[in-house]
Formats: sequence, structure tokens, C-alpha cells
Amino acid sequence: QQQVKQSPQSLIVQKGGISIINCAYENTAFDYFPWYQQFPGKGPALLIAIRPDVSEKKEGRFTISFNKSAKQFSLHIMDSQPGDSATYFCAASGSLYNFNKFYFGSGTKLNVKP
Amino acid sequence: DAMVIQNPRYQVTQFGKPVTLSCSQTLNHNVMYWYQQKSSQAPKLLFHYYDKDFNNEADTPDNFQSRRPNTSFCFLDIRSPGLGDAAMYLCATSRDPVSQPQHFGDGTRLSIL
Repeated sequence: QQQVKQSPQSLIVQKGGISIINCAYENTAFDYFPWYQQFPGKGPALLIAIRPDVSEKKEGRFTISFNKSAKQFSLHIMDSQPGDSATYFCAASGSLYNFNKFYFGSGTKLNVKP
Repeated sequence: DAMVIQNPRYQVTQFGKPVTLSCSQTLNHNVMYWYQQKSSQAPKLLFHYYDKDFNNEADTPDNFQSRRPNTSFCFLDIRSPGLGDAAMYLCATSRDPVSQPQHFGDGTRLSIL
């Protein structure tokens, strides 16, 4: 059973547009929700993360929106740039659940057109 | 200023020939993880160490072993690599297992001939 579902699988956005990637989870024990950015041939790099005590977190052009009741969270990339073209993974973990194992979404390949 | 360093970046081995991948960290983190990532897929956790305590995922093949001789180093041993083991292997660390971010290395790309 996939604990974190991510959509879309791929996304094409024009430069300057908004990129939106969505994730949904089932397990209410999750209390930490990071987003990772991965470029080809590189390891995932932490982009931004949120805990369920807030509904939104913003860092520069990147914003996480969190809806605890719907068990959904999303990444918004404002003013998308070609340099943002990468694969994005959402993840979830629980401090009291399964040794804090990270459950990853299946990834979204973002292509920002110049 | 790399914090999680994996060596080598690329490794080619023969079918059935044992191979060892290494990971070192300068973060002094308590937890080290090994992931397998195949093309266009999410990382899949193989096992992790919390200090010296080893935790194996239930679906990790017996072919995969790990050693952590000290805080800074962790090794992944593949005893008899099969063609299906060709993948990117990622090492990650976190300060402790309680909802802390994981910091990934750039991985070792393993090819099997």
C-alpha cells in the first residue's frame, strides 16, 4: 500500500508560471512533510518542509500548503525558472512511527520551458 | 564542503562479483540510511543504522548487507549482484530519527555486466 500518493507524474510549465505538485497521505501518525528536489545524477536535496501545526510555509519562491483535515499537502513554485527543472519528491514521516522512516511519493518531473 | 560523501560515484561490477559501496559524513549525525533508487522511481529504503543499532527493511534482499564501523562511515555490501541490482545507491544521514530532515549524498551509480 502506497502511503504517500503524488501527482502529477510530469509537469510542463512556462517560465514565470506557477508549478503545483500535490501529495496525499493516509497515516495520521505522520508529523513531518519534506519536499526534495533531485537533479539528474545527484542525490535528493531538501527543499522545504512543514509540520502539521501550520497550514503554510514559504521560503523564497517555494511554498508548502498543508491541509490536515484532508490529509493533503502541496508544493507551489512561483515564478518558475528553467533552473527549477528537476524531479520533485514529497515525503512523510512520523516521529513515533516506524523508526521515522520516510515514505516517498513517486516523484514529479518538472520541465520549465524558457 | 560536501557533508555526505559517497565513493565511488560510478561502479561497474560483474554478475555475481561482490561489491562494496562506501559513505562518509562530516555532520556527526547519529542515523545513516541506505536507499536504492531505480530510474524514474522514488528512493527505496534498504536499511538504516541508529548509532550502532541496525534496522533492516523487511523486503531488503539477503544479498544486501551493511556495516557501520564508526559514526562517520557506513558501507553497503552486495554479496552476489544480479542484473536487477543495477541502480543508484543513495546514502543519507539525519541527526536523530525523530522527524529530522535527511541529508543525501550524490549516490553511487552501480552497473552490472
